Amino acid sequence: DAKTTQPTSMDCAEGRAANLPCNHSTISGNEYVYWYRQIHSQGPQYIIHGLKNNETNEMASLIITEDRKSSTLILPHATLRDTAVYYCIVRVDNTDKLIFGTGTRLQVFP
Amino acid sequence: EAGVAQSPRYKIIEKRQSVAFWCNPISGHATLYWYQQILGQGPKLLIQFQNNGVVDDSQLPKDRFSAERLKGVDSTLKIQPAKLEDSAVYLCASSLTLGRITDTQYFGPGTRLTVL
Repeated sequence: DAKTTQPTSMDCAEGRAANLPCNHSTISGNEYVYWYRQIHSQGPQYIIHGLKNNETNEMASLIITEDRKSSTLILPHATLRDTAVYYCIVRVDNTDKLIFGTGTRLQVFP
Repeated sequence: EAGVAQSPRYKIIEKRQSVAFWCNPISGHATLYWYQQILGQGPKLLIQFQNNGVVDDSQLPKDRFSAERLKGVDSTLKIQPAKLEDSAVYLCASSLTLGRITDTQYFGPGTRLTVL
């Protein structure tokens, strides 16, 4: 079963920051938070992951709260091509299992 | 670098027929995964291979689904006989090694199966 809770859908204006929240209140100390996204008719695409520190890469930033019970994925300047379903996944260390929930459907509008 | 390749992209069959899907992972990736994604849901892991050995097939309906990765590279997923509830997108993914937290899974485009 998925160990995360995400809003079903969100909207964002093009050029603005998209902030996608995720709750993972039962996360354990050795479990990582992963984010993937799935654009229509494509396979999921890796975005970013983190354990307890905030992380940033060329695609996004990941902010994890100090108690690690929630996190936020930030797309700093959303474009129309960022319209997708975004999955927040808690991944146990040393396992390969990705247990996907239903994700957040992000719609970026002009 | 070439991505994960899958074929066919679409398949329509009638219930009780058989169907097979093919996956070619990224070159050098030891671990291969098959997922099933039903419309409106996230992908669900069916089976995981490390080279040509099965690591996890706990979610694979073994009475009708089978998968193999004979030479540790390409893989085939088969359904025989198909049921209406097998209509879904079947995704193949690969990663470099097993269990390394920094290794990400790379997904193919999927095969959309419709069972009539």
